[in-house]
Amino acid sequence: QVQLVESGGGVVQPGGSLRLSCAASGFTFSNYGMHWVRQAPGKGLEWVTFIRFDGNREYYPDSVKGRFTMSRDNSRNTLYLEMNSLRPEDTAVYYCAKGKGAAIFDYWGLGTQVTVSS
Amino acid sequence: NFMLTQPHSVSESPGKTVTISCTRSSGSIASDFVQWYQHRPGSSPRNVIFEDNQRPSGVPDRFSGSIDSSSNSASLTISGLETEDEADYYCQSYDGSRSHWVFGGGTKLTVL
Repeated sequence: QVQLVESGGGVVQPGGSLRLSCAASGFTFSNYGMHWVRQAPGKGLEWVTFIRFDGNREYYPDSVKGRFTMSRDNSRNTLYLEMNSLRPEDTAVYYCAKGKGAAIFDYWGLGTQVTVSS
Repeated sequence: NFMLTQPHSVSESPGKTVTISCTRSSGSIASDFVQWYQHRPGSSPRNVIFEDNQRPSGVPDRFSGSIDSSSNSASLTISGLETEDEADYYCQSYDGSRSHWVFGGGTKLTVL
């Protein structure tokens, strides 16, 4: 069965950096685009990034563009999210999600907590 | 650019039917597929409807989706409500014009 396990969350000061990972299993990882989605405390789901199946293109909303970088290692079935210049408003649970077709998030991990605070 | 707007909360009794709406701010609701996700506290979000009205395997047929072009909205209907249906529900669509994925603000369903 599909499993997505996020790690790397923690507490970081404003302006700091953090690298999240997502280990995937139960499907052919290299065939699918992947996403990161976050949920801030008391807020809804917010799409953060998408990376194509081959890692050749990523997409970001304006809220994280220039600060976050998504990558993948298809040989290790692992997804990464490098987060720089972190702000208090980046505090959230970060989920990785498997893409299906162009639009669908069909499987999700349990998430990892990121807290940006001094 | 478009936004998806959902009611903040809905409540209904066990055994009844509830409908959650999702209104698109600009452009036609029919131009991009709508998905729905169930999110219980402490759990992963779960896709319950994709491509407007399709159910993933394992999702009970009590869950159904539809779109209405006259109101430019999508709807998630849950019939025969059970206490386990209590969760936050999110609609979502893909904005192909800028390769962005858009979520509605979420609706808290209370089954009481």
